[in-house]
Amino acid sequence: GAVVSQHPSRVICKSGTSVKIECRSLDFQATTMFWYRQFPKQSLMLMATSNEGSKATYEQGVEKDKFLINHASLTLSTLTVTSAHPEDSSFYICSARGPRGVDADTQYFGPGTRLTVL
Amino acid sequence: AQTVTQSQPEMSVQEAETVTLSCTYDTSENNYYLFWYKQPPSRQMILVIRQEAYKQQNATENRFSVNFQKAAKSFSLKISDSQLGDTAMYFCAFAFYNQGGKLIFGQGTELSVKP
Repeated sequence: GAVVSQHPSRVICKSGTSVKIECRSLDFQATTMFWYRQFPKQSLMLMATSNEGSKATYEQGVEKDKFLINHASLTLSTLTVTSAHPEDSSFYICSARGPRGVDADTQYFGPGTRLTVL
Repeated sequence: AQTVTQSQPEMSVQEAETVTLSCTYDTSENNYYLFWYKQPPSRQMILVIRQEAYKQQNATENRFSVNFQKAAKSFSLKISDSQLGDTAMYFCAFAFYNQGGKLIFGQGTELSVKP
């Protein structure tokens, strides 16, 4: 149980275009999802916390107009990188808070999306 | 400030041997969970083991076990009978009870298992 999918797994786009990444909890409802960015050989950097039906909470230094997050249902959160530029190239990972009990304080991760902006 | 420190950026171990990865953390809170996550070359983050801070008994999951020392704020991971598939980046993390599940991560330890 507690499987999280992420789509697409990799995307290459031209500078100035927008890219949407989807994160789905497949076998449970996730009221909270998280979006991370990871550079090679580094730890995960939390970008924002996404709560179903409400606005996302962004970490300090993350541009909310650049990284649009929508959590429209209990199983889907999306991250849209608007007007992407080469410096936005990175590995983006989503996670979902587990369904109940001990799992409610455990995060389950998607497989990640490698974004390359040319 | 809440922090997690993994003092070993890289480690290596021979196949079938035992290795211990260290982790210390700092928090003034009393109720939290501790985690070890594994990130193999595929970059999929996988939950290895979880420990509730109120439990004195150390968590175990097959070849993986922890040594949890709450007073010392230490949470090391022991991998027994290391396998080539254990090669990965290992992250230590903690989250507070009922506070939205936000994780505080360490910097990671890159483990190589050599044949």
